[in-house]
Amino acid sequence: LAKTTQPISMDSYEGQEVNITCSHNNIATNDYITWYQQFPSQGPRFIIQGYKTKVTNEVASLFIPADRKSSTLSLPRVSLSDTAVYYCLVVRDDKIIFGKGTRLHILP
Amino acid sequence: GAVVSQHPSWVICKSGTSVKIECRSLDFQATTMFWYRQFPKQSLMLMATSNEGSKATYEQGVEKDKFLINHASLTLSTLTVTSAHPEDSSFYICSASWQSYEQYFGPGTRLTVT
Repeated sequence: LAKTTQPISMDSYEGQEVNITCSHNNIATNDYITWYQQFPSQGPRFIIQGYKTKVTNEVASLFIPADRKSSTLSLPRVSLSDTAVYYCLVVRDDKIIFGKGTRLHILP
Repeated sequence: GAVVSQHPSWVICKSGTSVKIECRSLDFQATTMFWYRQFPKQSLMLMATSNEGSKATYEQGVEKDKFLINHASLTLSTLTVTSAHPEDSSFYICSASWQSYEQYFGPGTRLTVT
């Protein structure tokens, strides 16, 4: 499975747009890119998934360039409750390997 | 989204005893279930993958005789930690999927071995 690299931590302020970029240089043709959010002592929660270009849902957008070697999760107008760990994952045949994730801290 | 439950949410047991953790998909049939372990401030580590009716596939370094996984039906998988020791204390999380790339995660089970 493709290894993912993302910043260890990020700080932002309430109301700002937050972009978290992930690199996955060894992504294969059939792999999908998925982002999860995890709060302390809880299971991860699915945020968004994409294959290429742009995907948007009610909570986030996912931007994937043509070469698919990276992706950017965009969280619009974050709030304090968005403080969590965000995992960028490459999914192949249903199998997920978690990387270290990005610890996002939202400040008032 | 789909709901996955785990029971118990937390458990304390004595060293040398066995503990069973249940994972249930409540509103869908899970063809595949996964078990993860997470230590404090660390990421999730995949322990094993199980398909209904077949033996689980364990990741390298995970002792299959210590962590017994049973996937008896399309809605239930169990993880039994046998002869638990304090180093087995961790947060155990299951997930379930059905012929898709999206995994639905349970809320986790906090195991403390004294």
